Amino acid sequence: GIQVEQSPPDLILQEGANSTLRCNFSDSVNNLQWFHQNPWGQLINLFYIPSGTKQNGRLSATTVATERYSLLYISSSQTTDSGVYFCAVRSGGGADGLTFGKGTHLIIQP
Amino acid sequence: DVKVTQSSRYLVKRTGEKVFLECVQDMDHENMFWYRQDPGLGLRLIYFSYDVKMKEKGDIPEGYSVSREKKERFSLILESASTNQTSMYLCASSARLGRYHGYTFGSGTRLTVV
Repeated sequence: GIQVEQSPPDLILQEGANSTLRCNFSDSVNNLQWFHQNPWGQLINLFYIPSGTKQNGRLSATTVATERYSLLYISSSQTTDSGVYFCAVRSGGGADGLTFGKGTHLIIQP
Repeated sequence: DVKVTQSSRYLVKRTGEKVFLECVQDMDHENMFWYRQDPGLGLRLIYFSYDVKMKEKGDIPEGYSVSREKKERFSLILESASTNQTSMYLCASSARLGRYHGYTFGSGTRLTVV
């Protein structure tokens, strides 16, 4: 099956810093999403981005499908940005579920 | 606001009990999924369904079954709960291909089997 690798696995930053999270995947995809898992465990959808670039406030994402990677940018980090960020992809045409990377654990220190 | 609702946030059950985890979505999505999340193992797909009364095994279906009698509801069943099924369970839904098919997740159920 498709492989998803996220880097870095852990990231500690000071409030106000910028960060870039990377997701590499091993096959072509028809779905790629970035999620933030909050302290209560819920996965919050940040971006649905199988290709192209999107922005939402301080967050933006770019997927280069031909090179099989996606980047999540967080600017002017806040402590509330802390948590685990997951990249998840789906390939194929069926109803198969998403395949998740192992996540990037981000800690924003005040 | 579209939602996927899981019936319980926390659940404690005894070994050998039959356990039902319920998930309801209000987005008229065709596809529904059950995942479990464990430290060091990430999220793993247990079962999914692409239509009423249809089900497909995911990566780790052993010890679980599912039921989808109505489009909006997808139930995960632990026939005889065991301690190794202590985990966080997450339900998700998505639309069939051709429509926007981003996945939406529920808030999760933390199940402890004692």
